[in-house]
Amino acid sequence: KQEVTQIPAALSVPEGENLVLNCSFTDSAIYNLQWFRQDPGKGLTSLLLIQSSQREQTSGRLNASLDKSSGRSTLYIAASQPGDSATYLCAVLNQAGTALIFGKGTTLSVSS
Amino acid sequence: KAGVTQTPRYLIKTRGQQVTLSCSPISGHRSVSWYQQTPGQGLQFLFEYFSETQRNKGNFPGRFSGRQFSNSRSEMNVSTLELGDSALYLCASSRGGGGPNTEAFFGQGTRLTVV
Repeated sequence: KQEVTQIPAALSVPEGENLVLNCSFTDSAIYNLQWFRQDPGKGLTSLLLIQSSQREQTSGRLNASLDKSSGRSTLYIAASQPGDSATYLCAVLNQAGTALIFGKGTTLSVSS
Repeated sequence: KAGVTQTPRYLIKTRGQQVTLSCSPISGHRSVSWYQQTPGQGLQFLFEYFSETQRNKGNFPGRFSGRQFSNSRSEMNVSTLELGDSALYLCASSRGGGGPNTEAFFGQGTRLTVV
């Protein structure tokens, strides 16, 4: 059974810091991995998708890497801003392409 | 391009009642999946539909059911509501053709409170 773990569960940083969020999964048989952002009481916003054959994806200040063989992904946020405060979730897509399995998220707080 | 639309946004129901939630996917998307989010369990997969067929189901009791219509809109139904069903229910849509470039887009969710 696929399990996804995110560390740390919460993180507080001052504005301007670079930071790394970690995601690990137990079964390497995945189609892809997605990183999402969730603001309190809201839905999920897709940030980055890394296909199983890719090693990294970049969007603006965000960079996500994937090491499928070791079951790990990282989300790197450069020059953090207060507007980055949210919960970040990673999810892997099963090989049937029908279900996302989520970690419990990392809640990020960036202070000005 | 309109995103995923879920209605209603908020619901309050009494134990024992039933409830129906609706999801309209992004135009052209044929796959709709449903997730339950609670503080204790996080996001858990309920079921996925593609072209009106349920392709996958999560580990939830039979009180949770769903369907998809020919226009790809989907509904989920929860019967005999329990207090523990209080949660944010999220719907996601994707093209559904399979493959590693399958990207899921989520709606804003329906907040269900059972009293």
